[in-house]
Amino acid sequence: AQTVTQSQPEMSVQEAETVTLSCTYDTSESDYYLFWYKQPPSRQMILVIRQEAYKQQNATENRFSVNFQKAAKSFSLKISDSQLGDAAMYFCAYRSNQAGTALIFGKGTTLSVSS
Amino acid sequence: NAGVMQNPRHLVRRRGQEARLRCSPMKGHSHVYWYRQLPEEGLKFMVYLQKENIIDESGMPKERFSAEFPKEGPSILRIQQVVRGDSAAYFCASSLTPNTGELFFGEGSRLTVL
Repeated sequence: AQTVTQSQPEMSVQEAETVTLSCTYDTSESDYYLFWYKQPPSRQMILVIRQEAYKQQNATENRFSVNFQKAAKSFSLKISDSQLGDAAMYFCAYRSNQAGTALIFGKGTTLSVSS
Repeated sequence: NAGVMQNPRHLVRRRGQEARLRCSPMKGHSHVYWYRQLPEEGLKFMVYLQKENIIDESGMPKERFSAEFPKEGPSILRIQQVVRGDSAAYFCASSLTPNTGELFFGEGSRLTVL
């Protein structure tokens, strides 16, 4: 069974600084998807970024980028130029490429941003 | 263009009552997933449904919990004879296809059992 591990329950960063959130996963599959979701206090789950395992190039979305190390099964999220609105819980998630499989989430990292 | 709609947003029940949570997927989506989130925890998969079919219910407790996604109308997660341990946020997500990757989430339904 696949598992997702986020080893940092809490992280903090100052505005305009850069922070990296860690995520590792365990799978025997070669084709899958990885995601970072953000959950602000409103509790809505918002997709931040996604990565297809077959792509070697790391995904980027504006200030958000990932460091995808397939061999190491590592998928970290880097937030550059942090803003107060980035404060939230961040979840790493895995999904198999097999049809009909669900997202598997890590336990989350709470990110606080100070001015 | 509405996203995934869940209602009610908040539901309070006494022990032993029934809770019904509804989820309307995004327009055109026929794949629905239910997740449960306990305080300070990640989301745990409960059940995956397509129209009129339960595809995977491996994460759903065997007793008291049921889910359906009828041909017409929203998906419903039903919890019978609720207990305090059922208090949680229940999230619904939908996808256009079963394996494109991204799930779109609703805002969740928070169940409180007194």
